Amino acid sequence: KAGVTQTPRYLIKTRGQQVTLSCSPISGHRSVSWYQQTPGQGLQFLFEYFSETQRNKGNFPGRFSGRQFSNSRSEMNVSTLELGDSALYLCASSQVNTGELFFGEGSRLTVL
Amino acid sequence: AQKVTQAQTEISVVEKEDVTLDCVYETRDTTYYLFWYKQPPSGELVFLIRRNSFDEQNEISGRYSWNFQKSTSSFNFTITASQVVDSAVYFCALSEVGGANSKLTFGKGITLSVRP
Repeated sequence: KAGVTQTPRYLIKTRGQQVTLSCSPISGHRSVSWYQQTPGQGLQFLFEYFSETQRNKGNFPGRFSGRQFSNSRSEMNVSTLELGDSALYLCASSQVNTGELFFGEGSRLTVL
Repeated sequence: AQKVTQAQTEISVVEKEDVTLDCVYETRDTTYYLFWYKQPPSGELVFLIRRNSFDEQNEISGRYSWNFQKSTSSFNFTITASQVVDSAVYFCALSEVGGANSKLTFGKGITLSVRP
């Protein structure tokens, strides 16, 4: 069974640009959540999608957005990038209400 | 608000030593989940265990064991006879039971180095 797949794995952007990250969940998993990991703040919840609807949102500015498609694949977008957005962005998928998340290897974003 | 504290930041042991990773949590919820995840250098978080708040039985899985004590709000993780492959960052996490259980609150993590 294929795991959670995130693309791209690495990317470099400059301040002011925008970025889109993609996540393909494990087959059959309908919930996708996103986390940001930085050395200073650690792992922080961004948002969760289920059946194409955002169910939960963390404490991040509106520059961070996401969506989920009918096949459960998800994308997150960060607009007007800032240096502080440099981080590892992790996607996780789960079956409904199991509380067990399966994570991808992440997309490492560097903002210059 | 939920909070997870992993007071140890780095631990270094020699192979075959036993090591305990501490986790203390805070929550106002009466029912919740507790987790441990392992993050190897490749980056993905690997699920190790989930414990429901009303199940205080300790658990053993091979060399791994978990001690959940609701009275002290702790959920400690012990690796017996550590191996070099255990070297990783270990995270303790907490979530609600129910609709928001994909929203995990993580501790800062403990970097475990196991030397040969």
